Amino acid sequence: TQLLEQSPQFLSIQEGENLTVYCNSSSVFSSLQWYRQEPGEGPVLLVTVVTGGEVKKLKRLTFQFGDARKDSSLHITAAQPGDTGLYLCAPNTGNQFYFGTGTSLTVIP
Amino acid sequence: DAMVIQNPRYQVTQFGKPVTLSCSQTLNHNVMYWYQQKSSQAPKLLFHYYDKDFNNEADTPDNFQSRRPNTSFCFLDIRSPGLGDAAMYLCATSRDMTYEQYFGPGTRLTVT
Repeated sequence: TQLLEQSPQFLSIQEGENLTVYCNSSSVFSSLQWYRQEPGEGPVLLVTVVTGGEVKKLKRLTFQFGDARKDSSLHITAAQPGDTGLYLCAPNTGNQFYFGTGTSLTVIP
Repeated sequence: DAMVIQNPRYQVTQFGKPVTLSCSQTLNHNVMYWYQQKSSQAPKLLFHYYDKDFNNEADTPDNFQSRRPNTSFCFLDIRSPGLGDAAMYLCATSRDMTYEQYFGPGTRLTVT
């Protein structure tokens, strides 16, 4: 299992604020996925990034894969209460994906 | 329509009493995974099946076993549940190891 750190582990913000979640490793990955898990449900895939430096947008969510493919970030603009959940990055280690430690986000109305 | 189904959604068992959790899929995916998730933590992979090939994670306790009798079904058996095994158990499937994983809603296990 690759060592993969997500930060922050917990984040509580007011509705309308912006935030960034980070996923870092010392290893190079061929691709990386981001999932969101809402309370009481299983994780759901948000995006897959493949190319170093790639940026993908999903409405108010912006995902970036580091140039060296060792890290990734998720930026949420104008957070909404519906964004509350556990955000998980999952890099591809070559033959399978492993989840990072997760960031638990709470958006307060 | 649900694609990955887990039954039951809530399971209560007694300390030391064997319990089986079920997962089925309608996606005809090759890979089925079992994860353990404790409160506010990321899911921890226990093992997976690629078709009929079983792959155990190195740190998965022997107390946890799995069966996959056919493509559609996979079971998680906990032989002697301890209090520390209380958690959400998630089943997931994927077409192949590097494809998107589709998760079921999970089974929340309580050990009394």
